[in-house]
Amino acid sequence: DTAVSQTPKYLVTQMGNDKSIKCEQNLGHDTMYWYKQDSKKFLKIMFSYNNKELIINETVPNRFSPKSPDKAHLNLHINSLELGDSAVYFCASSRYRSAANYGYTFGSGTRLTVV
Amino acid sequence: AQTVTQSQPEMSVQEAETVTLSCTYDTSENNYYLFWYKQPPSRQMILVIRQEAYKQQNATENRFSVNFQKAAKSFSLKISDSQLGDTAMYFCAFMKLGGGADGLTFGKGTHLIIQP
Repeated sequence: DTAVSQTPKYLVTQMGNDKSIKCEQNLGHDTMYWYKQDSKKFLKIMFSYNNKELIINETVPNRFSPKSPDKAHLNLHINSLELGDSAVYFCASSRYRSAANYGYTFGSGTRLTVV
Repeated sequence: AQTVTQSQPEMSVQEAETVTLSCTYDTSENNYYLFWYKQPPSRQMILVIRQEAYKQQNATENRFSVNFQKAAKSFSLKISDSQLGDTAMYFCAFMKLGGGADGLTFGKGTHLIIQP
């Protein structure tokens, strides 16, 4: 009954590969996010998405792209993986206009290691 | 743009002691929210406490309380009667009012270790 679930939890892949991380939420939230946590534990937003708009953090390389087949899913696709992409990626969800009132619900993270 | 600063990379206290984690932030917004999140070794991000900037009263959740000083842009977290299970990374975070799409701006975190 996990509210926000990410798969896989761990992903090891070679440089240059293309990979996807899946995220699903069963909370009925209308906004989903991807955050990146680097090796120093710093968390930074990559994308936020609801059914009306996608907002991309300007520092995110265009090799990263979110794909949302429906309101409950926001997958992260990464092309041509680089060593620097190694990090933990968190999916989260919230109610768009009430994110601050109710906070985010985070997934348990996907540790991506590029070798 | 907002910035959040946590000046204590690591803290260590004995079990049952009280510990205070500091957080300062910079923003030109007048209405916003502040949060403390806990990340234990399991990696899960857990909301500890939240504060609305328009409320003067400091938020409290059981053993966790905050000292919110809006003029000073300070938002410290106090953990009373600390327990071994409180060992974790603690992140201070900022969100502007209605800022669902902008998301949370996090500090760099404080690694809190509770010693038996």
